[in-house]
Amino acid sequence: NAGVMQNPRHLVRRRGQEARLRCSPMKGHSHVYWYRQLPEEGLKFMVYLQKENIIDESGMPKERFSAEFPKEGPSILRIQQVVRGDSAAYFCASSLGAGGSSYEQYFGPGTRLTVT
Amino acid sequence: DAKTTQPNSMESNEEEPVHLPCNHSTISGTDYIHWYRQLPSQGPEYVIHGLTSNVNNRMASLAIAEDRKSSTLILHRATLRDAAVYYCILRDDQTGANNLFFGTGTRLTVIP
Repeated sequence: NAGVMQNPRHLVRRRGQEARLRCSPMKGHSHVYWYRQLPEEGLKFMVYLQKENIIDESGMPKERFSAEFPKEGPSILRIQQVVRGDSAAYFCASSLGAGGSSYEQYFGPGTRLTVT
Repeated sequence: DAKTTQPNSMESNEEEPVHLPCNHSTISGTDYIHWYRQLPSQGPEYVIHGLTSNVNNRMASLAIAEDRKSSTLILHRATLRDAAVYYCILRDDQTGANNLFFGTGTRLTVIP
């Protein structure tokens, strides 16, 4: 069973460009989470989505960031007009269900975004 | 979710047991204690979780204090592949917290 897939693994963007990060959850998982990790820090929650719905976006910046999880295809984290402070590792996780402690989150390998 | 406190770093010799402590003095009755670890340049991976009783799995053991204000992750024989940052995380079973709060964790160095 393939794990959580993320692509690209590394992404370089110039300031002002757009970054699109993709996440394919584990087979059968309909819950997706995005986290951001700045250098030498722990992961910070950004957004939680179920198919076609954003459930919790409390950790996502209000401007320039958006996320979607369409009925078909991967989840996309989109960052518009990137700035140097967006340079970080972005991790996607998926779970079989949500609510309660029974549903563990399985993480992908991450996308390392560098803004020059 | 209640917060946790862990030492910033620990060292262990290879093939010796490692005890990684975590304090969670404000834990609530419905909080489960979860441990994840993050190997270098990888995403976090689930290690173990428990509520009140000690737990064992193929990766590790989790010892939970009787008052639940602290817990210890035990690696019985550390290997070089266990070198990682270990995160102790509380998840409220009642509210079904859907996001994991990662603190700074404990960076474990395994010495050959």
